[in-house]
Amino acid sequence: NAGVTQTPKFQVLKTGQSMTLQCAQDMNHEYMSWYRQDPGMGLRLIHYSVGAGITDQGEVPNGYNVSRSTTEDFPLRLLSAAPSQTSVYFCASSYQGGASLYGYTFGSGTRLTVV
Amino acid sequence: GQQVMQIPQYQHVQEGEDFTTYCNSSTTLSNIQWYKQRPGGHPVFLIQLVKSGEVKKQKRLTFQFGEAKKNSSLHITATQTTDVGTYFCAGVSTGTASKLTFGTGTRLQVTL
Repeated sequence: NAGVTQTPKFQVLKTGQSMTLQCAQDMNHEYMSWYRQDPGMGLRLIHYSVGAGITDQGEVPNGYNVSRSTTEDFPLRLLSAAPSQTSVYFCASSYQGGASLYGYTFGSGTRLTVV
Repeated sequence: GQQVMQIPQYQHVQEGEDFTTYCNSSTTLSNIQWYKQRPGGHPVFLIQLVKSGEVKKQKRLTFQFGEAKKNSSLHITATQTTDVGTYFCAGVSTGTASKLTFGTGTRLQVTL
């Protein structure tokens, strides 16, 4: 089925460990982004990409790295996990940036716990 | 930076009652989008408004974009249990075409 695929769905990390959250879309969307969702704070933008080879920081980029080598994939790397990074992470894509007529398509999320 | 607030944070209604959530931005928006997130799920796009004063309807849902393009509202008529979830507005500030900033969300609970 067409859409945004995120893996893994759940992950527990120890403080200081690193890991990569995977995101892939098969809709040929140029724009991809990562959000984190914490209770009472809505979704906050971590990093985004307007096309292959182009990435930029969002609202809360510290502690995260991204790359966009292909149109389809947009992985999010946690360099050294901290308890403050415990959250639900959503990847989203769209035909264009924030003004997309069709809105964003979200993946099903990765629930990350850092102990 | 841009801030988008929603009120109320939470509302509990009886099935059949109406519901409204309000969205306010600290900056002028070029557009506003609305999303619904069911418990345990991911946000799902509902609609986008672009014009000042624009009103759009989807069945029992009415969306409005303020004249100054800094606020918006979502009104649900005669709520049903299927309306349960969190409703988010999300806006793009003028001049920042690639960044969609989400509001804090309003969680709606509907009981029989």
